[in-house]
This record gives sequence, structure tokens and C-alpha cells, in this order.
Amino acid sequence: NAGVTQTPKFQVLKTGQSMTLQCAQDMNHNSMYWYRQDPGMGLRLIYYSASEGTTDKGEVPNGYNVSRLNKREFSLRLESAAPSQTSVYFCASSVQQGAGYEQYFGPGTRLTVT
Amino acid sequence: DQQVKQNSPSLSVQEGRISILNCDYTNSMFDYFLWYKKYPAEGPTFLISISSIKDKNEDGRFTVFLNKSAKHLSLHIVPSQPGDSAVYFCAALKYGNQFYFGTGTSLTVIP
Repeated sequence: NAGVTQTPKFQVLKTGQSMTLQCAQDMNHNSMYWYRQDPGMGLRLIYYSASEGTTDKGEVPNGYNVSRLNKREFSLRLESAAPSQTSVYFCASSVQQGAGYEQYFGPGTRLTVT
Repeated sequence: DQQVKQNSPSLSVQEGRISILNCDYTNSMFDYFLWYKKYPAEGPTFLISISSIKDKNEDGRFTVFLNKSAKHLSLHIVPSQPGDSAVYFCAALKYGNQFYFGTGTSLTVIP
């Protein structure tokens, strides 16, 4: 049981290049999320997927697209990278446990756009 | 528009003493609150949570208090240990799907 995995761990892009961040979870969770973490800003939600086949915008969706490929996988795509997208990206999945919720995070992808 | 706020970027506490981390929120639609712990170069890990219908939840050394009228929650760690040194994020949940995070408080426990 690997939990939430993300690839790659590190990436350097030039402005205008594109790339896809991959995320997979093996906990059979319905909901999955992409966040970015910037200094002094906490974690901000980019997109989330409440179930397979659905995606919704979060707080900061501009410049990103997502695909919920199946229940396990949720990818984040940067079509034309900009320096403002330099950040650490975290994928997460969540499950409702009784009256509560738990959310599990991947180890993160550190992206630098030059 | 930061709906969840952690106004103290950092906190230092002596080992064995109590650590109190604070969090304020603005949206009365939040119905569930969580605390996460984050070490450098790792993803956040879930620590403890509380439903809006409760005012206290305890798990070992960790207790979360919720004051709905003040829109305030706090995390108490007693006794604090050096291994507790990390960044702590509070988060609030709306509609069971949308998590909103604070900016984090970096806790240092001094041996």
C-alpha cells in the first residue's frame, strides 16, 4: 500500500514549455486534489475531483488543466509554463470516515520555471 | 481572500511544555476542521480533526478546541517533544470536498 504517489519529484522547465504531473493513489478514494504550496501562502487548491469523471476548479486554476483518468489517477497539466508557476505541487486523496474525513498527501513535486 | 488564517508564522516552546497553535476562519459554512503536520520535503500528514458539532477532540498528546462563535480553533500539544518540530497547517472543509488551508505555523521544540 503505497498511499499517494507523485512523479516526478523535481522538474525544471523553461517558460512556455509544457508538462504533466502524475498522481496515483491505491486507497480506493473517490476524491482527489491538486494543491500548490508557496512561501507564506499555505496550500492552495488548484483543482479537485470528487469522483471519477468529474473535476472542479479550486482557488487558483488559471494556467492548469487536469484529467481524472480513472479512480486511481489524477494528472495536472501545465500547457505553457510561466515563472509564476514555480512552486511545490502536492496531490492528495480523501475519504469520508464515519462522520469525519481524512486526506492523504503525496510527497510533492518541486517545479522550477525559468 | 484567505478564509483560513494562521497569524503566527512561528512558535518556539521548551520540551515538556505546552504548545498552542491557533487558527481563525471567516466562512461559517465550514463544517469540519483538520490539523496537519509537515516536515521539510514531505507531504502534509493528518494529525487530528474536529466536527463543527463538537468543541473538543483529544488524541493522546494532541487536543483540538473549536470555538464556533469566535470562528477560532486551536491545537494543544502536551507535553511538547523535539520530534514535534514541524510546520502545522490547519484546514477547514466545506461540502465534504473543498479543503481550505491556513498559511502554516512553524513549531520549534527546544530540548
